[in-house]
Amino acid sequence: DQQVKQNSPSLSVQEGRISILNCDYTNSMFDYFLWYKKYPAEGPTFLISISSIKDKNEDGRFTVFLNKSAKHLSLHIVPSQPGDSAVYFCAARYYGNNRLAFGKGNQVVVIP
Amino acid sequence: EAGVTQFPSHSVIEKGQTVTLRCDPISGHDNLYWYRRVMGKEIKFLLHFVKESKQDESGMPNNRFLAERTGGTYSTLKVQPAELEDSGVYFCASSHRRLGIGETQYFGPGTRLLVL
Repeated sequence: DQQVKQNSPSLSVQEGRISILNCDYTNSMFDYFLWYKKYPAEGPTFLISISSIKDKNEDGRFTVFLNKSAKHLSLHIVPSQPGDSAVYFCAARYYGNNRLAFGKGNQVVVIP
Repeated sequence: EAGVTQFPSHSVIEKGQTVTLRCDPISGHDNLYWYRRVMGKEIKFLLHFVKESKQDESGMPNNRFLAERTGGTYSTLKVQPAELEDSGVYFCASSHRRLGIGETQYFGPGTRLLVL
């Protein structure tokens, strides 16, 4: 039973434009959400996170939005750069527990 | 600061054999996690150590998997005997303390296991 879902497995975007990645979750007990970026043959690299008590967190070109009532979060990358081409994973932490539940990932390709 | 390291990077074994994966967390990180990604599926939690104690092993698939963290430093994950469905990428991650604002789990590069 997958509790973190990332639809639209792949996304192609022109360099300089905005990339928007979406993530939906089903478990109301998640209290912390993270986005990871992964290049081939490497481990996931932390990108940005957001607590369930917030609705937005921004770090440079990356912004994560959380809509708790809709159980939905999104990652915005603007402007997109060729180096952003990677697989992006949405992850959620269970309240009272450290383990993370991951989505299947979104492949992003930024076209120069 | 050195990141999380894992050894070996790749392992190809035959069904029924034993394989031991090793993880060295970031120095000073009490929390150590094992995750696994089977081809085409999501990354799934296996277990969590706090120092040398197993905090949560709810994700371990069955008793063919044995994880240890003697002395609270590096950890090993042994699969014995290995089955075909154990193939995948095994990730290790570590963190300093319970996740809070600005903290995260840092992942190693993974061990790619192929069971033939």
